[in-house]
Amino acid sequence: DGGITQSPKYLFRKEGQNVTLSCEQNLNHDAMYWYRQDPGQGLRLIYYSQIVNDFQKGDIAEGYSVSREKKESFPLTVTSAQKNPTAFYLCASSITGSRPTNTEAFFGQGTRLTVV
Amino acid sequence: QKEVEQDPGPLSVPEGAIVSLNCTYSNSAFQYFMWYRQYSRKGPELLMYTYSSGNKEDGRFTAQVDKSSKYISLFIRDSQPSDSATYLCASLNAGGTSYGKLTFGQGTILTVHP
Repeated sequence: DGGITQSPKYLFRKEGQNVTLSCEQNLNHDAMYWYRQDPGQGLRLIYYSQIVNDFQKGDIAEGYSVSREKKESFPLTVTSAQKNPTAFYLCASSITGSRPTNTEAFFGQGTRLTVV
Repeated sequence: QKEVEQDPGPLSVPEGAIVSLNCTYSNSAFQYFMWYRQYSRKGPELLMYTYSSGNKEDGRFTAQVDKSSKYISLFIRDSQPSDSATYLCASLNAGGTSYGKLTFGQGTILTVHP
C-alpha cells in the first residue's frame, strides 16, 4: 500500500538529548513537510523540502534540523536547543505544486514526542 | 499576523444542522486552498481542494473561495455525529521564495451532537 509512514508513534526523550523522528513515503512525491501541532495552535511548519538535497525553513525551524538525502525519506531531528519539544509531529508529502491538480498533501499518522 | 487565520471554536451543533467553517488569508501568492479533517490523535485527511474562486461541491461538503476578499469557507450540510473532528484550512504558496510552502490555519473543533 502506498502512503507515508512515521515512526515511532510515541517517543520519550530526556531533557538535553537529541532525537530523530522518521518519515518515509512510497508515493514518489517530490515535496515533503514537517509540522508541529500543539493544542489550539493548528499545524505549524517546521521545515519543507521540494526536492532531494534541498530544504527550506518553515515558521518554527529553531531547534530542529532535517536532511533529504533520498526522495522517499525526510527525517527530523529535535535537538536539545528546542526549548519546548513536547508536541505531536506530523510529516506530509505531495507532488510539487506546479499543477493545480497535484497539490494534495498526504499525512502520516504522527509521532507524539514527550520530554521527561 | 498569521498568514492563515481560522477561528478555533469550539463549535457545537445539533445533528442535521448546516455548518459553516471559515478562514481568511493574507498572502496573495496563495493560489490553492484545501480543507482537511482530523480525528483525534490521527493525521489530517484531505476533504476538499480548490484552485479558483467560486464553489466546489462534493456530497454534503461545499468549499467556497473568494480570492478578492481572501476568504475561504467550508459548508457541511445535514451534519452527522461522525463529522465531529477538527477541520483545518490550508493554503499553498505558488510563487516567490516560499514556493511550495503549505500553511495551515489553527483548526476548528466541531462537535455534532445527536
